[in-house]
Formats: sequence, C-alpha cells, structure tokens
Amino acid sequence: QSVLTQPPSVSEAPRQRVTISCSGSSSNIGNNAVNWYQHLPGKAPKLLIYYDDLLPSGISDRFSGSKSGTSASLAISGLQSEDEADYYCAAWDDSLNGVVFGGGTKLTVL
Amino acid sequence: QVQLQESGPGLVKPSQTLSLTCTVSGGSISSGGYYWSWIRQHPGKGLEWIGYISYSGSTYYNPSLKSRVTISIDTSKIQFSLKLTSVTAADTAVYYCARVDSSGFYEINYWGQGTLVTVSS
Repeated sequence: QSVLTQPPSVSEAPRQRVTISCSGSSSNIGNNAVNWYQHLPGKAPKLLIYYDDLLPSGISDRFSGSKSGTSASLAISGLQSEDEADYYCAAWDDSLNGVVFGGGTKLTVL
Repeated sequence: QVQLQESGPGLVKPSQTLSLTCTVSGGSISSGGYYWSWIRQHPGKGLEWIGYISYSGSTYYNPSLKSRVTISIDTSKIQFSLKLTSVTAADTAVYYCARVDSSGFYEINYWGQGTLVTVSS
C-alpha cells in the first residue's frame, strides 16, 4: 500500500492528452514539492517534473505538472508510443522523514 | 556527470544478510545537500524508499524496515552501502541507489541502474 495514491493504469490514443493523478496528505503533497518520474522496464527512473511543475533540462514540454492542496497531476500531451511507461509521483513526507512514492501508473498508448 | 552503480550478490539465502554497495563517480559524496538513498521495487510493484544517509553519517530509515536496515557511507571510497538482515522472499526486489537533493525539492536526479536481488535457498 503506497502512501501516495495513483490510478494503476491509463490509456489514450496517439497525439491525444492524458492526465495522471496523485493524491496524498498534508504531511507530504500538502506541504512539500511533488516530483514525477518516468520508469521504463529495465532502466533507472528518470525525473520528469520537479517542484510541482518545473521541467528538468532536456525534458519535452509535452510533459507538465500541477498541484492543488494535497493532490497533484501529470499531463502528457501529443502522446507518442515512446511515452508508454510507468509513471510515479513522489514527495518528501514530514512524518516519515523520507521520500514517499505513489504506486505507479502504467500508461498505454493505444 | 554523476553516475551511481550498485554492486553485490544477486542471490541471498533466507535469514541471511543482503549487502549492496553503491559507487558514486563524477561527483563528491562528501559535500552536503544530498541524501544518499536506497530504494527498491518488488516485482510488479511500485517504488519503496528504504532509507538514506547524509555525508555526515546521519541516517533515516523507513519505519517498516528500520529494525533490519543499516546504511553506511565511506567517503574515502566514494561509496555508500546497504545491509538488510534476516531477509525473506518478501525482500526479493530490484534495489536502486539514488541521490536525493535535500537542498532542493527532494528530487532524485541520479539513480543507479538497479540490481535484482533474489532471496531463495
């Protein structure tokens, strides 16, 4: 049981837009930055979004993040087949004194 | 470019101790601002934070594993290590070492490639 809650899977057609939600609490999302990671099988996770809505260098602007209260969202526009991956939200948790993750969302591009 | 690389046995017997080392290259492990962390992923499951150590040796562990986990750091070798005692099949997972930016937003810019550890007799 993950501390942050994500839908297990989402799917959408190529060139469309999809959003992935992430729900937490006041000790994590409500009080700290949300970061998003893309995880391809057999590879290390890659930072996609940090501090709720900032893009690291080299990340496509098709990815965007937002946060409101104790929930956050990742949006991917102009879906491409290479976007098929698992996506994780994460945040620092003040009670745990560590990083908490969502359970991950598997994106399928139809 | 900072790189992290996990090393250690891929097979551990039940009740024994899992030991992994993460070697850091392209950067210093002796400066502040980072939490040198271990994270794992059970087969088919999500990511689970195990714990971290700072350059000064301060550690914090996931409460669910705290009684069995030790993370240590060797700044001279630019390495940090994980020991997990009394392992069971439930500890079978891919183990990642990672650098958490404690002076930023706790984002993880650098991860190791991950190493699969199987607990089996």
